[in-house]
Amino acid sequence: KNEVEQSPQNLTAQEGEFITINCSYSVGISALHWLQQHPGGGIVSLFMLSSGKKKHGRLIATINIQEKHSSLHITASHPRDSAVYICAVGAGNQFYFGTGTSLTVIP
Amino acid sequence: DAGITQSPRHKVTETGTPVTLRCHQTENHRYMYWYRQDPGHGLRLIHYSYGVKDTDKGEVSDGYSVSRSKTEDFLLTLESATSSQTSVYFCAISQPGQGAQNIQYFGAGTRLSVL
Repeated sequence: KNEVEQSPQNLTAQEGEFITINCSYSVGISALHWLQQHPGGGIVSLFMLSSGKKKHGRLIATINIQEKHSSLHITASHPRDSAVYICAVGAGNQFYFGTGTSLTVIP
Repeated sequence: DAGITQSPRHKVTETGTPVTLRCHQTENHRYMYWYRQDPGHGLRLIHYSYGVKDTDKGEVSDGYSVSRSKTEDFLLTLESATSSQTSVYFCAISQPGQGAQNIQYFGAGTRLSVL
């Protein structure tokens, strides 16, 4: 049983394309997180949100609490955006993670 | 970058041997976590700590133990390593006071191979 489901699993885009990654969850959460894992393995936090929408540069994250769904959008994608994007939800003292979306942006 | 150091970064060991991984933080964060990452699975929680000497089991705790005798150090021990414990292990920390709501900061990971 996966508390967090992401789609798509793999995504290839041309440079400049608008990209959307989706996340659905089944548990009650205190917050949802989007993480980025670089090809070298390091994991960094992109967003933490519990309602509405957040924007950071070309990245936009939205969440719909009622539908238990979040999306991560990348505008004007660039090859340096190539990474694995991971959705995680905080519930109690624990986190549950999706399996990640592997994004490749081709020049 | 949050001050989190995992050691060792890479380890190869034999089945049946004990292995200890160390996570050291300089941020004075209350919560510390050990995860494993395997192909086809998301990060899965092994154990976490919510304070010195306060730990709890996660989703995949069998075969692992932890200790936290100081705020800055969280040790993960494989008492008798098995091939199924071959994985990449990540330590994470989160800000004090608000538990799971807080952003987690991750260490660089330890790649463990059990032969």
